[in-house]
Amino acid sequence: EVQLVESGGGLVQPGGSLRLSCAVSGFTFSDHYMDWVRQAPGKGLEWVGRSRNKAHSYSTEYAASVKGRFTISRDDSKNSLYLEMNSLKTEDTAVYYCARAMSNKFDPWGQGTLVTVSS
Amino acid sequence: DIQMTQSPSSVSASVGDRVTITCRASQAIGTWLAWYQQKPGKAPQLLIYAASSLQSGGPSRFSDSGSGTDFTLIISSLQPEDSATYYCQQGKSLPFTFGQGTRLEIK
Repeated sequence: EVQLVESGGGLVQPGGSLRLSCAVSGFTFSDHYMDWVRQAPGKGLEWVGRSRNKAHSYSTEYAASVKGRFTISRDDSKNSLYLEMNSLKTEDTAVYYCARAMSNKFDPWGQGTLVTVSS
Repeated sequence: DIQMTQSPSSVSASVGDRVTITCRASQAIGTWLAWYQQKPGKAPQLLIYAASSLQSGGPSRFSDSGSGTDFTLIISSLQPEDSATYYCQQGKSLPFTFGQGTRLEIK
């Protein structure tokens, strides 16, 4: 069974940092691009960024809203994807989902982890 | 960035009704269009991709038509379990963008 499980969310003050993890099972993680997508409370979906696979040099892409503050990494030996978030702002409050990217569509998604940025 | 505009923002319909949700891209995206269904408190689920391909396991009452800039999600005969919010997403170019969502309520 394909599974993606996010962890690491929580309450953090503005300007703080947080690291999210996404543990993957049920498919060959190292073959795939992986993305992060977020959803602010009561709002729509926003693409955050992408991690390409080893064949594409583990290159990354970011939305303009997070570029320079967020860093995506992966550890193929641990079947895990990470999102390092620095200089957090209140507008980063959201549920963060990891998702497998296949031909630029997302399937499946993890259950999400809530990040709350508030003083 | 490619802007995705969905309409309507919400719709209420009865069981058995035919429901259509439209999605318009600000520039041509070919068939790089996916639809997702999201139920409250749950992660989105892929419903349709490449503008017209039904995801494995997806009910056959869901279909899509369109290419270029205009797309339509069609639910041929609405079922109670279809109550959800639906999002379109373009995969033509980075940054990937979503429509604002259409909330579907069952009368």
